[in-house]
Amino acid sequence: GAVVSQHPSWVICKSGTSVKIECRSLDFQATTMFWYRQFPKQSLMLMATSNEGSKATYEQGVEKDKFLINHASLTLSTLTVTSAHPEDSSFYICSAREWDRVDQPQHFGDGTRLSIL
Amino acid sequence: AQSVSQHNHHVILSEAASLELGCNYSYGGTVNLFWYVQYPGQHLQLLLKYFSGDPLVKGIKGFEAEFIKSKFSFNLRKPSVQWSDTAEYFCAVNADTGRRALTFGSGTRLQVQP
Repeated sequence: GAVVSQHPSWVICKSGTSVKIECRSLDFQATTMFWYRQFPKQSLMLMATSNEGSKATYEQGVEKDKFLINHASLTLSTLTVTSAHPEDSSFYICSAREWDRVDQPQHFGDGTRLSIL
Repeated sequence: AQSVSQHNHHVILSEAASLELGCNYSYGGTVNLFWYVQYPGQHLQLLLKYFSGDPLVKGIKGFEAEFIKSKFSFNLRKPSVQWSDTAEYFCAVNADTGRRALTFGSGTRLQVQP
């Protein structure tokens, strides 16, 4: 089945640091990738949608200068949390879809737990 | 805007008990519906999906869900749960609004006791 690899799985860093999270589709080409954020005991909240070679579409309330998304190839998207602060601590999950059709399932990465001290 | 409600936040069952997890969505047009499962320490996995045809959808591991359009519901069922079904279950919807991402419910934690 389709596999999405997310790296790193856990990051602990100091306030003010920038952190990059990678999301790779291992055995398929992902025309669309999604970045979610999950708070404890809450649902996944969509942050942004990215398509290869174009700018990401951010959800309302998500700072695009804070959360930089790059979808440079059909198998890789990156999320960079710039100048991270403790309130950015969360669980970040990426997903990828092979075809840009709403009836196609998304395949999820294992998530990245980000802790800002 | 589309939204998804899962009313059961935490369900505790004994092995062999029957399961039904509720899921309601708010959108009047055409929808695609999904159930995902997240086992402890693992990523979200697709259990089943509905986008057209027979409203009773069968998924992996003995799960099924029924789409009832008049009730805006897509409840997940399993006749006899096992300890290994202990996980978090998420209902998700994608409507024909041009928004390509899924909207998730808040999840239901299922705990199956041996």
